Amino acid sequence: EIVMTQSPATLSVSPGERATLSCRASQSVSSYLAWYQQKPGQAPRLLIYGASTRATGIPARFSGSGSGTEFTLTISSLQSEDFAVYYCQQYNNWPKTFGQGTKVEIK
Amino acid sequence: EVQLVESGGDLVQPGGSLRLSCAASGFTFSSYWMHWVRQAPGKGPVWVSRINNDGSSTSYADSVKGRFTISRDNAKNTLYLQMNSLRAEDTAVYYCARDMIGFDPWGQGTLVTVSS
Repeated sequence: EIVMTQSPATLSVSPGERATLSCRASQSVSSYLAWYQQKPGQAPRLLIYGASTRATGIPARFSGSGSGTEFTLTISSLQSEDFAVYYCQQYNNWPKTFGQGTKVEIK
Repeated sequence: EVQLVESGGDLVQPGGSLRLSCAASGFTFSSYWMHWVRQAPGKGPVWVSRINNDGSSTSYADSVKGRFTISRDNAKNTLYLQMNSLRAEDTAVYYCARDMIGFDPWGQGTLVTVSS
């Protein structure tokens, strides 16, 4: 099973600032990497797939990069609605595993 | 609008059984693989099971293999998860999700609590 490790566990950012979240895979997943956003009491929502392609309706301030084992999600200018938990997921191998999440909180 | 709505979550004693349902609408249900994913309080999501579009192929996480059964009724646009021999560690919110490139969308989830 591929283990996904996210860092940091918590990121404190001021509105308008840039946030950079990391995700590392225990073995290569090529570009088969997705990012999800989850707000309290809600289901996860797909943000990015293929490591860098935004899902339908996702604002351009969200961008993804990386391949192999190292991936990054960048939120260029944090809006109030972006404070949430973010998860990465690999879908290169079964089972499709998730990271433990990064909480983006207001500084 | 594409929508998934789960139901069937409840408080159940260890060793008990429960069947979850996921009603799909807004898309051609029979064309898509579907998944169940669970999330324990304060933890990340964990994939549980998947089924192909016509129900002929299934797979399970090791933690539920032999205890859980995924199925679907394409005529009713509904996905199911039969959960037997439930354990305390099965306590979680259970989500159904459509298989796209990634999981999209997810339902709102249904809470399963296993406790005496």
